Amino acid sequence: EVQLVESGGGLVQPGGFLRLSCAASGFTLSDHYMDWVRQAPGKGLEWVGRSRNKANSYTTEYAASVKGRFTISRDDSKNSLYLQMNSLKAEDTAVYYCVRAHYESNIYHPSQYWGQGTLVTVSS
Amino acid sequence: DIQMTQSPSSLSASVGDRVTITCRASQVINNYLAWFQQKPGKAPKSLIYAASSLQSGVPSKFSGSGSGTDFTLTISSLQPEDFATYYCQQYNSYPLTFGGGTKVEIK
Repeated sequence: EVQLVESGGGLVQPGGFLRLSCAASGFTLSDHYMDWVRQAPGKGLEWVGRSRNKANSYTTEYAASVKGRFTISRDDSKNSLYLQMNSLKAEDTAVYYCVRAHYESNIYHPSQYWGQGTLVTVSS
Repeated sequence: DIQMTQSPSSLSASVGDRVTITCRASQVINNYLAWFQQKPGKAPKSLIYAASSLQSGVPSKFSGSGSGTDFTLTISSLQPEDFATYYCQQYNSYPLTFGGGTKVEIK
């Protein structure tokens, strides 16, 4: 059974940093594209970034709002995905979800595999 | 960036109603369009990908259609468990972008 479990959220001051983790089970993380998606309290969904799979050299893409501040990485030995968040701002306050993409017909599509989310609050 | 505009932003409907939600992209997205359902306090659930392909395990009362820039999600007969917020997402190009959401409420 595919499972994604995020951790690492919490309260952090503006300008601070935090690292989120996403522990994957039921599949081999290195084979899959992975996304981070966030949702501010009472707001809609916002795509944060993507990590391509090992076959595509783990290259990454980011939303403009986080580029240069956030970094996605992986540890294949732990089957885990990470989101390093630096220079945090109040507007980064959100629930952060780890999402696995689905490969079909040579395209990576959104999938039904989402974690439960972890809340990050940026406040003094 | 591709802007995704959903309409309506909210709607009230009764059990058994047929409901249609529209999503318009600011440019052609080659059918790389997904639909999600989200209930309060829960992670989004993927319903449709590639504009019209049903995700595994999703009931056939949900259907997606459209091409180019205009897409629709239809719920054929609304049930109590379908009251939720629905989002579209384009994945034709980076950054991936979501629509603002449509909240489906009980009339």
